[in-house]
Amino acid sequence: DAKTTQPPSMDCAEGRAANLPCNHSTISGNEYVYWYRQIHSQGPQYIIHGLKNNETNEMASLIITEDRKSSTLILPHATLRDTAVYYCIVRVDGSQGNLIFGKGTKLSVKP
Amino acid sequence: GAVVSQHPSWVICKSGTSVKIECRSLDFQATTMFWYRQFPKQSLMLMATSNEGSKATYEQGVEKDKFLINHASLTLSTLTVTSAHPEDSSFYICSARDQWDRGGYTFGSGTRLTVV
Repeated sequence: DAKTTQPPSMDCAEGRAANLPCNHSTISGNEYVYWYRQIHSQGPQYIIHGLKNNETNEMASLIITEDRKSSTLILPHATLRDTAVYYCIVRVDGSQGNLIFGKGTKLSVKP
Repeated sequence: GAVVSQHPSWVICKSGTSVKIECRSLDFQATTMFWYRQFPKQSLMLMATSNEGSKATYEQGVEKDKFLINHASLTLSTLTVTSAHPEDSSFYICSARDQWDRGGYTFGSGTRLTVV
């Protein structure tokens, strides 16, 4: 699986959009970009994933650059409950192996 | 969506004793489950892959005789920390593959183990 690079921490004001970047310059053509988050002392939670088109669901939007070497997770209206560590993971969709977690980005949403 | 129940959520035990952690897939069958360990301020590290009806596959550096994994049914995997020591204190998280879930993986809520 390709390696990802994320900033270690970010702050965001409550109610504003949180934009979390991820670099994955060595991503392969059949690898998807997945985002999970982990709220303190809980298990990781799936957020969204995509291949090359932008994706949106009830939790977030995922913007993938045309060359697929980077992506941005957008939480449109961050709340205090969105404070968590966000992990960007690239992997082949449907593959049987485990998820490999990097260090992620610690997002702190402040009132 | 898929739900994975992990129990207990926290446990305190004395050095030298054993602790069993259960991981159940509630509404789907999981032929493969994963066990992770997470130390404070660190990321999740895979300990082992548990396959129903066969022996678990352990990651390098993880003692299979210390961390016993049993996956006897399609909905239950257990991790037993044997002869626990304070350095085994950590956050243990299980995950199950669900091919029908959007993300493909569902995680338990984790078990905080403290060995005193």
